[in-house]
Amino acid sequence: NAGVTQTPKFQVLKTGQSMTLQCAQDMNHEYMSWYRQDPGMGLRLIHYSVGAGITDQGEVPNGYNVSRSTTEDFPLRLLSAAPSQTSVYFCASSFHQGRGYTFGSGTRLTVV
Amino acid sequence: AQSVTQLDSHVSVSEGTPVLLRCNYSSSYSPSLFWYVQHPNKGLQLLLKYTSAATLVKGINGFEAEFKKSETSFHLTKPSAHMSDAAEYFCVVSDSNYQLIWGAGTKLIIKP
Repeated sequence: NAGVTQTPKFQVLKTGQSMTLQCAQDMNHEYMSWYRQDPGMGLRLIHYSVGAGITDQGEVPNGYNVSRSTTEDFPLRLLSAAPSQTSVYFCASSFHQGRGYTFGSGTRLTVV
Repeated sequence: AQSVTQLDSHVSVSEGTPVLLRCNYSSSYSPSLFWYVQHPNKGLQLLLKYTSAATLVKGINGFEAEFKKSETSFHLTKPSAHMSDAAEYFCVVSDSNYQLIWGAGTKLIIKP
């Protein structure tokens, strides 16, 4: 049982480049979400999904897109990377919103 | 709106002494509350959660937390610190839409 798998673990992008952070879970969780973690701050919600085909914005959605074509996968797309998007990104999943969440190991992204 | 305040950004204790990490929350209804731990360069792990059952919640690794509605607090404690407890700890509240609101984190330092 792999839990929540995020790839890549590290990435360096140039300003203006696009890329997709991958997130997959094998626990048949309906709820998936993306967070960013910045120094001195708690995690902030970017986007979330309550099931396949359903996504919604969180606290800091600008500059990011998501889709949920399957229960297992929830990729996060950076459309045109900016230095302000330098952060550590975590994907999380749960059977239901409000229950305990399982987190991936994170993706450390640097935009130069 | 819900919010979470972790009262200490850093807490330093000697190995074998008690640990107290303080968390206050604000919520207009009976919330779900969580503590997560993040070891250096690792992902996030759920320590314990409160979901309107017993007010004293026991978690993993000897940690526990007490929900005190009158004080709007959910402090995390452990009777005897171990070197392996050195990490960052996050207090989290689930809002009325089941989104997670994160505190800024408390770094726990264990002195030998």
